Amino acid sequence: DAGVTQSPTHLIKTRGQHVTLRCSPISGHKSVSWYQQVLGQGPQFIFQYYEKEERGRGNFPDRFSARQFPNYSSELNVNALLLGDSALYLCASSLARALARTVTGELFFGEGSRLTVL
Amino acid sequence: GDSVTQMEGPVTLSEEAFLTINCTYTATGYPSLFWYVQYPGEGLQLLLKATKADDKGSNKGFEATYRKETTSFHLEKGSVQVSDSAVYFCALSDYSAGGTSYGKLTFGQGTILTVHP
Repeated sequence: DAGVTQSPTHLIKTRGQHVTLRCSPISGHKSVSWYQQVLGQGPQFIFQYYEKEERGRGNFPDRFSARQFPNYSSELNVNALLLGDSALYLCASSLARALARTVTGELFFGEGSRLTVL
Repeated sequence: GDSVTQMEGPVTLSEEAFLTINCTYTATGYPSLFWYVQYPGEGLQLLLKATKADDKGSNKGFEATYRKETTSFHLEKGSVQVSDSAVYFCALSDYSAGGTSYGKLTFGQGTILTVHP
C-alpha cells in the first residue's frame, strides 16, 4: 500500500516568491496535517484539515494557507517567501479527525518537501 | 502552552550499549505521549506511545514509561544496534476534557543517535 506521498521532494525559491506543496494521504485517510521542520529542530504544527475544512491552525502567519480537496489530498501554499521559511515541510495523514484517546490513532508522515529560499 | 524538552544531543554509543534519551513535558490537559523516529532519508515513524499515566509503550526493544509525577517519558533500549542510528523525537498530543485532539503533535527538538560497530 502506498504511504503518504509529497511533491516536490526538493525545491529552491527566491525571497518574495510563492510556493505550493502537495500531499496525497494514505488511501482511506480523511485527515491531513502539515508540519514545518527547520534544520535541527522538531516539527512544528501548521494546519490540520478534515473533510475539506480547517480543524486546527498553529502559530504561523497568514502567508501560510492550505486546502483539502474532495479526494482528501491537500496543498500547502506559502506566499511572499522569507529566508526563514527554508525548512522540510511534512505532511501527515490519519484516519480520524481527532486522535481520540480510545482510538489507536496514529499520524503517518510523508518524507517531506525540502524548501530552500535564497 | 504545551512543550516537550529532550536531552541535548547528539548521542554516540557503541553497539550493544544501553541507551537512555530523556524527555520531559509540560501540558495543561491529559496528554498522550509518543516517540517518533526518523531514519536517514525517510519520513517520521511512530516508534511507541503511551496514553495514560504509568502506561509503558514498547516496540523493537525500545521502552518508555509515562511518569505523570515527574512529567517524563524517557526512551530506553538495553542493547542498541547500528541500525538504530536515527533521530528520535519525543512528542505529545494534548487532549481536552472531551478526549480528542486535532492531529496536532507538539515535538521536542530531536536527539541524534549514532551507533558505532
